Amino acid sequence: QKEVEQNSGPLSVPEGAIASLNCTYSDRGSQSFFWYRQYSGKSPELIMFIYSNGDKEDGRFTAQLNKASQYVSLLIRDSQPSDSATYLCAPRPGGSYIPTFGRGTSLIVHP
Amino acid sequence: GAGVSQSPSNKVTEKGKDVELRCDPISGHTALYWYRQSLGQGLEFLIYFQGNSAPDKSGLPSDRFSAERTGGSVSTLTIQRTQQEDSAVYLCASSFSQDQPQHFGDGTRLSIL
Repeated sequence: QKEVEQNSGPLSVPEGAIASLNCTYSDRGSQSFFWYRQYSGKSPELIMFIYSNGDKEDGRFTAQLNKASQYVSLLIRDSQPSDSATYLCAPRPGGSYIPTFGRGTSLIVHP
Repeated sequence: GAGVSQSPSNKVTEKGKDVELRCDPISGHTALYWYRQSLGQGLEFLIYFQGNSAPDKSGLPSDRFSAERTGGSVSTLTIQRTQQEDSAVYLCASSFSQDQPQHFGDGTRLSIL
């Protein structure tokens, strides 16, 4: 089973700052990743996916994948209080692989 | 288009009773997953269905847990002889195929008294 590690946090940043969320993984075969956001009391929802090495930008969000160092990160620019949530990373499943999510990093954006 | 639908949204029952949780996935999605999430914890994988293949039951915590998926669509998770440690939110997700992002339902909050 592919292992995914995330710092549970909480990560606290002021409004307007850049929030950096990191995820490390153990399986060098992992080729791509999903980032999910989970608000308190709600279900996870997909916010980003990255399929190749390097950066992928979508609005205020940038996902970064570094296969050599086996980490994937999510940057949130101009953080807003509404970004306060838990962020989960997950390797893209395939074959007989059991779906795995990191435990998530709790982000708090304070005004 | 409808998302993943789960019912009931809340279930309170006495220890020792059986419960059935229902999941109606997004139409056309071949993969269906069940997870359990305890308060403040991560997602615990329970079981996975892919099309008509035999389900991957490797995450089921005990033989009191079972699940079926009828006609490749609706799924039911059954917990027999419930225990207090079964109290959690049970989440269902579906995806177009195994390697695509998962879409989650709103979950069933199960409380065992």
